[in-house]
Amino acid sequence: KAGVTQTPRYLIKTRGQQVTLSCSPISGHRSVSWYQQTPGQGLQFLFEYFSETQRNKGNFPGRFSGRQFSNSRSEMNVSTLELGDSALYLCASSLGSGQGAPPLHFGNGTRLTVT
Amino acid sequence: LAKTTQPISMDSYEGQEVNITCSHNNIATNDYITWYQQFPSQGPRFIIQGYKTKVTNEVASLFIPADRKSSTLSLPRVSLSDTAVYYCLVDSGYSTLTFGKGTMLLVSP
Repeated sequence: KAGVTQTPRYLIKTRGQQVTLSCSPISGHRSVSWYQQTPGQGLQFLFEYFSETQRNKGNFPGRFSGRQFSNSRSEMNVSTLELGDSALYLCASSLGSGQGAPPLHFGNGTRLTVT
Repeated sequence: LAKTTQPISMDSYEGQEVNITCSHNNIATNDYITWYQQFPSQGPRFIIQGYKTKVTNEVASLFIPADRKSSTLSLPRVSLSDTAVYYCLVDSGYSTLTFGKGTMLLVSP
């Protein structure tokens, strides 16, 4: 079974630009969540989508947005990039429902560098 | 959200058993305890999850006492490739995990 795929793997952008990151979840997983990882703040939750609806949102500015398509694939967009947005962006998929706490399956992330 | 506390770092040698303890005093009735492993420049990888008592899989064991205010991840006979950051999380099942700083495990020859 293929794992979570994130594209691109690396990205370099300039301040003020916008960027779109893509995530393909594991087949059958309906929940996709996004995390930002930086050396200073660690792993922080951005938002989660389930069946094309944003179900949860973390404490990030409105410049960070996302969406999920009918095939569960998800995209994350960051507008008006700032230097502080440089980070590893991780996508995770899970069954998203059912008994207990279905574990998350993470991709290897997109490394975004803002110059 | 329940906060977790775990050691910042641990050192071990190949072949030894490593136990990493995590405290989660404010865990709620419906919360599970989940552990993830992360290597540099990779996403976290699910290791094990439990609700109470003991859970064992092919890579680790998880011990949870009756009061569930702490848990211990046990890695039997570690190897160099087990050098990584280990995160203990309290998971309510909503995919909105709160990661702490984790424990940096360094395994030496």
